Amino acid sequence: GAGVSQSPRYKVAKRGQDVALRCDPISGHVSLFWYQQALGQGPEFLTYFQNEAQLDKSGLPSDRFFAERPEGSVSTLKIQRTQQEDSAVYLCASSLRPSGSYNEQFFGPGTRLTVL
Amino acid sequence: AQKVTQAQTEISVVEKEDVTLDCVYETRDTTYYLFWYKQPPSGELVFLIRRNSFDEQNEISGRYSWNFQKSTSSFNFTITASQVVDSAVYFCALITPGAAGSYQLTFGKGTKLSVIP
Repeated sequence: GAGVSQSPRYKVAKRGQDVALRCDPISGHVSLFWYQQALGQGPEFLTYFQNEAQLDKSGLPSDRFFAERPEGSVSTLKIQRTQQEDSAVYLCASSLRPSGSYNEQFFGPGTRLTVL
Repeated sequence: AQKVTQAQTEISVVEKEDVTLDCVYETRDTTYYLFWYKQPPSGELVFLIRRNSFDEQNEISGRYSWNFQKSTSSFNFTITASQVVDSAVYFCALITPGAAGSYQLTFGKGTKLSVIP
């Protein structure tokens, strides 16, 4: 498909487990963003990649959250020792150009993480 | 600080009625971009419109129209003759500068629109 894809779509984890969420951006898109959307809230910024470089990780809530994009395409968001407050939808977005104030971001369908 | 406020949490209208979704924003920047996204039950955010701070012209796209007023820091969205397929959560967002040249979207909390047949 031509859009942003994410897998898995749904993930249930027991508290304390590690999880890995995958994002496949639109081919050729330079910028990649991760957002966290709690129930009934708007998405909140987590981190930003320009190609393989992670230029902004100011939104990551704790050091249990880690993201990578080693070859500048697919990205993985990893959460270690999951806690109940990590339950949310994790959205990935990509943009054609390096991040700029005018760039449209294309979003994937998200991964709904539930921590029991 | 950058902030987006969508005061209407939920709105219900009967099909074919017009509905306006409100958005008020705060920013210290003189150049900024505003966005509206639609999030249907499937969960994927769908881009609707982008507007820069220098262009206050109203915009119309089919049944959708947007009213941008810098004087009141508002960027309201109107759906004319609503349809059941318009039922979704609508988000207003502001592009804000982050660290190392990144620009991130700051979203409002969203307005859930239900169109009743």
